[in-house]
Amino acid sequence: AQSVSQHNHHVILSEAASLELGCNYSYGGTVNLFWYVQYPGQHLQLLLKYFSGDPLVKGIKGFEAEFIKSKFSFNLRKPSVQWSDTAEYFCAVNAGDSSYKLIFGSGTRLLVRP
Amino acid sequence: GAVVSQHPSWVICKSGTSVKIECRSLDFQATTMFWYRQFPKQSLMLMATSNEGSKATYEQGVEKDKFLINHASLTLSTLTVTSAHPEDSSFYICSATAYEQYFGPGTRLTVT
Repeated sequence: AQSVSQHNHHVILSEAASLELGCNYSYGGTVNLFWYVQYPGQHLQLLLKYFSGDPLVKGIKGFEAEFIKSKFSFNLRKPSVQWSDTAEYFCAVNAGDSSYKLIFGSGTRLLVRP
Repeated sequence: GAVVSQHPSWVICKSGTSVKIECRSLDFQATTMFWYRQFPKQSLMLMATSNEGSKATYEQGVEKDKFLINHASLTLSTLTVTSAHPEDSSFYICSATAYEQYFGPGTRLTVT
């Protein structure tokens, strides 16, 4: 069965610090990969996604993620975080079929201190 | 862009009663909708896949007789929690697909 692991449950950073959130998945076939963000009191929003092609994917708000197939990883990065990036971040995997079914990681709660 | 709404956003009910939650895609048609459950400080757990005009597909461990899902049209899916108990208290989130999943704002259910 597919699974998604996010190793950092809580991250606290100061503004302007760099961010990297880890995401590893277990699935041997073709996958589509996603990062979602949930700001306090708001619904999930898509940050970025990888389906195929360039493994370095750029998303909204300055976020990017790199798909490393050999490591089954899809880590999220941002060079300089802002206070407004305080949110919960979820990595998700889809089996690359037509089902759209997503398996989510446990989430990482990011707190950015001004 | 694609907007998904849920109604109600918050509901309190007594143990033993049933609660219906609606999920609507406002500006697009969705043949597939998903229902998730999110416990406090935890991730989203997929409960079921809802396809318009057919029976929902439930994930392992989800009681289909307790969580009734109906997807009567391309813009509406409903989740009914039957004979609710306090352990059913949770945050229920739906999503609708149109090339990707668009999430609703969630419904917080509290069973007293």
